[in-house]
Parts: sequence; structure tokens; C-alpha cells
Amino acid sequence: AQSVTQLDSQVPVFEEAPVELRCNYSSSVSVYLFWYVQYPNQGLQLLLKYLSGSTLVESINGFEAEFNKSQTSFHLRKPSVHISDTAEYFCAVKGTGRRALTFGSGTRLQVQP
Amino acid sequence: EADIYQTPRYLVIGTGKKITLECSQTMGHDKMYWYQQDPGMELHLIHYSYGVNSTEKGDLSSESTVSRIRTEHFPLTLESARPSHTSQYLCASSEGLLGLFFGEGSRLTVL
Repeated sequence: AQSVTQLDSQVPVFEEAPVELRCNYSSSVSVYLFWYVQYPNQGLQLLLKYLSGSTLVESINGFEAEFNKSQTSFHLRKPSVHISDTAEYFCAVKGTGRRALTFGSGTRLQVQP
Repeated sequence: EADIYQTPRYLVIGTGKKITLECSQTMGHDKMYWYQQDPGMELHLIHYSYGVNSTEKGDLSSESTVSRIRTEHFPLTLESARPSHTSQYLCASSEGLLGLFFGEGSRLTVL
């Protein structure tokens, strides 16, 4: 069975500071990895994904994540956060042959002025 | 832009009532999903559909049922709601490896 661990339930950070949201997964097969963002009272939106190829993937709003197979990690980073980045971030994994995504418990990013 | 819609967004009802949460998508996706989300917890898959007339139970046991009579429509029904059903229910659809497209969710409160 696959699982996703997001170690930090909340990450407070000041505006313009860098941030890293951690995600580790357990799976014995090849996986596809995703980060989703959920703003208050909204559904989840896809932020970025790793399917194959380059292990570093980027989103259009400055986030990036690096797939590390040996560490089974897919940490999300941003070099300088904005107030508008305040949201809940979910890491998810899909193993080949699995029918749906398995999600972590989420990390609430709180950007303070 | 994802086109997947859920109604109602918020619902407060009494114990024992029958409720249906609606989910519709206009993208023609074959696969659709229902996830249950509680605060501070991971999303749990409760129902999955490969296509019309194909539904399966998810990883988390749920007393709800679903139907898939049309590609675009995937409603979830609770025959007799209880306080333990209070949660947020998220509908999603997908095609290939594009990832899931989510609706805005239906927040259910059972008194």
C-alpha cells in the first residue's frame, strides 16, 4: 500500500522569506507525484506534477518541487513567498496500476506580513 | 480552466434525512471520484468510477452510494444522514495523467 507523509501540519513564514514544505511517500513501485493547493472555501487545484524526466518541476507561480527517488521525497519550495500564497498544500502520489491518488494530510502555509 | 461543479456548497440537515450531493463535469472525462475531507486530515477516496455504469468503493468505507448513468454526472447519496457523516465531500474527474480536477466541495453538517 502507498502512503504520503507531510511532516508539518502548519508552516508560518514571513512574506518574502523562502519556504519548504516536506513530503515523503512510501511505495514499492514507480510513482507519479503531485502537489495541490487549496485556498479557503475552495476545491483543490493542481500546482505541479512529476510524471517522468527531469526531477525538478516548476509551477507558473514560482513554486518548484524536486523528486528524490532515493529519499522517496517530493518537497515543495519557493524562494520568496507572498501573502497570497497562504493556503493548504497537499502532496499526492499515484502508483502505476493504482486507480486514484493517495493524499497526505496537508500543510497549512501561513504567510505573515 | 477546469469545469466541474458541485451543489450544494453548504448543507445543514437533521438526522435521518436523505441527501444527494450533485457533481457534474463538462470535460468529457471518463474517471470520476468522491473524496471525503476532514479538517487537518488527508483526503480519503470513498467512491470511484471508470465510466458510465461502472462504480467502485474507495479506500475509506462509506455508507453513501453513487451512480454514473451519464458521463458528466456523478451524484452521491446518503439514505439516512447521521452526525458522523458531517464532513466536506470533494468531487473530482481526470483523464490520463493530467491529474485530478476538483470541484469546490460540498460541506455537509448533520445535526
